[in-house]
Amino acid sequence: DARVTQTPRHKVTEMGQEVTMRCQPILGHNTVFWYRQTMMQGLELLAYFRNRAPLDDSGMPKDRFSAEMPDATLATLKIQPSEPRDSAVYFCASGFIGETQYFGPGTRLLVL
Amino acid sequence: AQSVTQLGSHVSVSEGALVLLRCNYSSSVPPYLFWYVQYPNQGLQLLLKYTSAATLVKGINGFEAEFKKSETSFHLTKPSAHMSDAAEYFCAVTNFGNEKLTFGTGTRLTIIP
Repeated sequence: DARVTQTPRHKVTEMGQEVTMRCQPILGHNTVFWYRQTMMQGLELLAYFRNRAPLDDSGMPKDRFSAEMPDATLATLKIQPSEPRDSAVYFCASGFIGETQYFGPGTRLLVL
Repeated sequence: AQSVTQLGSHVSVSEGALVLLRCNYSSSVPPYLFWYVQYPNQGLQLLLKYTSAATLVKGINGFEAEFKKSETSFHLTKPSAHMSDAAEYFCAVTNFGNEKLTFGTGTRLTIIP
């Protein structure tokens, strides 16, 4: 049963520290998405890739967030420096154009 | 531009009663529509999807949804609620050739014993 995996599942860090979240998409999927979920804002699309190329990162704070796909099996989302307002659950999803997106279990981030 | 409106951020139903979660969409092109469910501390899981075939779509766990173009709606229903249905439900829209899903704000379903 193919699944999207995310690591770490939980992360507690102090303000100013770098945070790296990793995602392994389902093998063969050509689109990868990063979402952020908070109580106040709901589910927000941060960035997405097609065939490893970034297509849209307009949802990300450019000065502190970066998203990359070093290879087809790994997507990363980095926050540097982290701030308390970045506390949220970050989801990765993968799929195909116009098709179902399959979500990972999320990384729950708390920035103190 | 596409958008989704979910009426009712919280819905409570008694166990065994009908579940009805409302979703209205806006799209200038034929839409693809999805319902996802999120259980506590988990990611979103696909319940069902409409991609221009049959207008009545059956999903997992006894849920179904009907695409009504004239009403721009895609409401989610289940004849008899079960305690395990307690979760948050998201409606989403996209279209052919578009990667991005536009999600609604979600409806939290509570089941009353």
